[in-house]
Amino acid sequence: EVQLLESGGGLVQPGGSLRLSCAASGFTFGSYAMSWVRQAPGKGLEWVSIISGSGGSTYYADSVEGRFTISRDNSKNTLYLHMNSLGAEDTAVYYCAKGSGESAARPLDYWGQGTLVTVSS
Amino acid sequence: QTVVTQEPSFSVSPGGTVTLTCGLGSGSVSTSYHPSWYQQTPGQAPRTLIYSTNTRSSGVPDRFSGSILGNKAALTITGAQADDESDYYCVLYMGSGIWVFGGGTKLTVL
Repeated sequence: EVQLLESGGGLVQPGGSLRLSCAASGFTFGSYAMSWVRQAPGKGLEWVSIISGSGGSTYYADSVEGRFTISRDNSKNTLYLHMNSLGAEDTAVYYCAKGSGESAARPLDYWGQGTLVTVSS
Repeated sequence: QTVVTQEPSFSVSPGGTVTLTCGLGSGSVSTSYHPSWYQQTPGQAPRTLIYSTNTRSSGVPDRFSGSILGNKAALTITGAQADDESDYYCVLYMGSGIWVFGGGTKLTVL
């Protein structure tokens, strides 16, 4: 059974940094792309970033480009999102999601339960 | 900025059929956009229904189906049930590793 468990969310001040983690199990982690998707309170889903199975390719939404960094450790079956220069607009539940193939061009098929990030002073 | 369009809301009677659509602000949706559909109830994580146009995710009943209708991607629910009342999101692949979600459709079953 595929399981994705996010952690690392919390309250952070504007301009601060945070690192989210997603522990994966139930599949061959390094064979699948992984993504982060967020949802601001009362709003829709917003794709944030994706990384290929090997970690060699990473892509970002314009809204986070240059501030967020996605990475993975295939030896630990863990996905990360390093977030810098956080602003109120980054307040959201952040979901980890599994791709349906190795490439970033493959759609998402499994989702974690999410971790809440609140940016406020 | 690419815009992915969805109906803001839709209603269907129990047992009825409804088709939700996913379009582009300019242009036509094709299979190369890998249109995919997700269901979300309040306070819950999204659940994948359909990916790559018409591939049903594991455990999804066959009354959910995906297709291309005209210049849009479509999600059809046949025999709607009360617990289908949810928000439905589509996502399209724009190329170069970029995905864009639609704004979502709030489906009411009544």
